[in-house]
Amino acid sequence: GENVEQHPSTLSVQEGDSAVIKCTYSDSASNYFPWYKQELGKRPQLIIDIRSNVGEKKDQRIAVTLNKTAKHFSLHITETQPEDSAVYFCAASWGGGYNKLIFGAGTRLAVHP
Amino acid sequence: EPEVTQTPSHQVTQMGQEVILRCVPISNHLYFYWYRQILGQKVEFLVSFYNNEISEKSEIFDDQFSVERPDGSNFTLKIRSTKLEDSAMYFCASSGEQGMNEQYFGPGTRLTVT
Repeated sequence: GENVEQHPSTLSVQEGDSAVIKCTYSDSASNYFPWYKQELGKRPQLIIDIRSNVGEKKDQRIAVTLNKTAKHFSLHITETQPEDSAVYFCAASWGGGYNKLIFGAGTRLAVHP
Repeated sequence: EPEVTQTPSHQVTQMGQEVILRCVPISNHLYFYWYRQILGQKVEFLVSFYNNEISEKSEIFDDQFSVERPDGSNFTLKIRSTKLEDSAMYFCASSGEQGMNEQYFGPGTRLTVT
């Protein structure tokens, strides 16, 4: 069935370092890959997404890369700040109108000052 | 900026009772979803809804669950007879026109079944 694997489960970095979170998806029909940031007790917030016709997308300090052949995609955060500390979820979808999101298990990122 | 809203923020109920969780999606969105997140775990898809009918549902969404769009703004999730294992955070989400995939989540309703 559909599945998204996410690694690592926890990630601890020093402020200013980069952080990389990786996800692998199983359904080759997936063509939409969002990333959500969830702070404690709050809603998942969409921070960046990528579609299968693009290999990389950047938005200021965050970027996402997609390798369709290998069926994996990654989130890159540069110059990390303490406010980046949160749980990050990757997800995959096949991209139709009513497109359920299949989420990864999440990565708890801690950025230490 | 428009946001998805949900009420109540926290619902405590006894096992076997019915609960209704309410959501107001973003006003021009066409697709509506319910997800749940058991404490410390990942977000799981429950059901999607479009054009006044269920588009897809997961194995979790059994006969005890139902959804409804009773008017032009609300979207509800009903659990007929709650079980202890239904305790979770329930998120409503909505997305826009066909082909636009971005799903925006509400703040969630924390359901506690005792």
